Parts: sequence; C-alpha cells; structure tokens
Amino acid sequence: AQKITQTQPGMFVQEKEAVTLDCTYDTSDQSYGLFWYKQPSSGEMIFLIYQGSYDEQNATEGRYSLNFQKARKSANLVISASQLGDSAMYFCAMREGRGNAGNMLTFGGGTRLMVKP
Amino acid sequence: DAGITQSPRYKITETGRQVTLMCHQTWSHSYMFWYRQDLGHGLRLIYYSAAADITDKGEVPDGYVVSRSKTENFPLTLESATRSQTSVYFCASSESTRQTQYFGPGTRLLVL
Repeated sequence: AQKITQTQPGMFVQEKEAVTLDCTYDTSDQSYGLFWYKQPSSGEMIFLIYQGSYDEQNATEGRYSLNFQKARKSANLVISASQLGDSAMYFCAMREGRGNAGNMLTFGGGTRLMVKP
Repeated sequence: DAGITQSPRYKITETGRQVTLMCHQTWSHSYMFWYRQDLGHGLRLIYYSAAADITDKGEVPDGYVVSRSKTENFPLTLESATRSQTSVYFCASSESTRQTQYFGPGTRLLVL
C-alpha cells in the first residue's frame, strides 16, 4: 500500500488565487512528521513546510500553510496568492519510525502545479 | 555558504562500468541520504548514514555501495551500472534525527 498518496497529477491555478494540493498518508506510528518540498523545472528540491504529528497548530510559512487533519490522515498544502514562480512539482513526504530509521523520508508521486497569468 | 553539493551534475556511462557520484556538505550534518528520482516513482531512498562509518539500506539499495569515512562526504558507487539505474540522484543531509532534510542539486545519470 502507498504510504503517501498525492491524487492530483496536475493542477492549474489562476495567478493571485489560492490553491490546495492534496496529500494523504498511511502510518501506524503515533510520532511522525510530514513535509512538503517544491521542485521547480531547474530540478532542485526546496523544503517548504513541516508538520509534526503532535503539533496542535497547523504549520504556516509565509504563503504556505499545511492543513493537517490527523483523523483523516491528510496533510494538504495550501498556497495563498499564487505567483507565476509557484509553477513546479510539489512533493509530500513523511518521516516515521524510530532511531536512525526514524529519519527516513517516504515521498508521494508529486503534483505538478501550473500558475496561469 | 556552499551547503550541499553534488558532482558531477551530469554523467553518461555505459552498462557494466563503475560510477561514483559525490556528495559534500559544509553544515557538519550528522545524517546524509541518497535518493533516486524516476518518473512515476517520486523519490526513493537508496542508502542513508547516521554518522561517519555508519550506513544503512533504504528502499532500493541493490546495485549500489556507499561509504562515509568523513562526516562531510557521502559517495554513492554503482559497481556495475545497468540501464535501470538511469535516473536523477539526489543527496540530502539533516542535522540530526527527525530534522528537515536539505537536498543537493542532483546528478542526472544516463546509462547506455
């Protein structure tokens, strides 16, 4: 079974509008972490935002926020006021486990976001 | 502040040849990782290292060898390259366990 599922292979959003990228996860651990990374066409992986399983507040970083719904096992990324530079692949990832293995990341298949001017 | 670098950025090799991809980080991070990125699979972990001389397998370790004699370097070797190892390889590091991983720019490898 997939541990991280991103059901939207591609999405369009109008510039200046908000967009939500979906991510659902599967784990039996109580302690885990969820990450979002951005991969522009240049290829690098850029860390955007992190949410810990015990964090009570949804994480926010500038225009990025993470809509964390623990009971539904979802960790959706919300980008407010989209910009042309937001056009990229977006990956959701999960850290689970303990000890050294607790630092391993499992990635979803990604969502390609295209911002229209 | 170089951060994390990878070399070479692009490599073409032939089936059966040995190839080494280099990864260097200047943050003195304890943890280092190697991932491969293929269409349809996202990123998958090949090997990771918790410290110098401590390495362990990830999801797809077959055909790869790693070493970590110094904290800052984590080379990945394909002992006998195969076409299925054509991929983009990313190195990453994190300060300690359960911390954010930061990625290098990637190496595009083509095995003919």
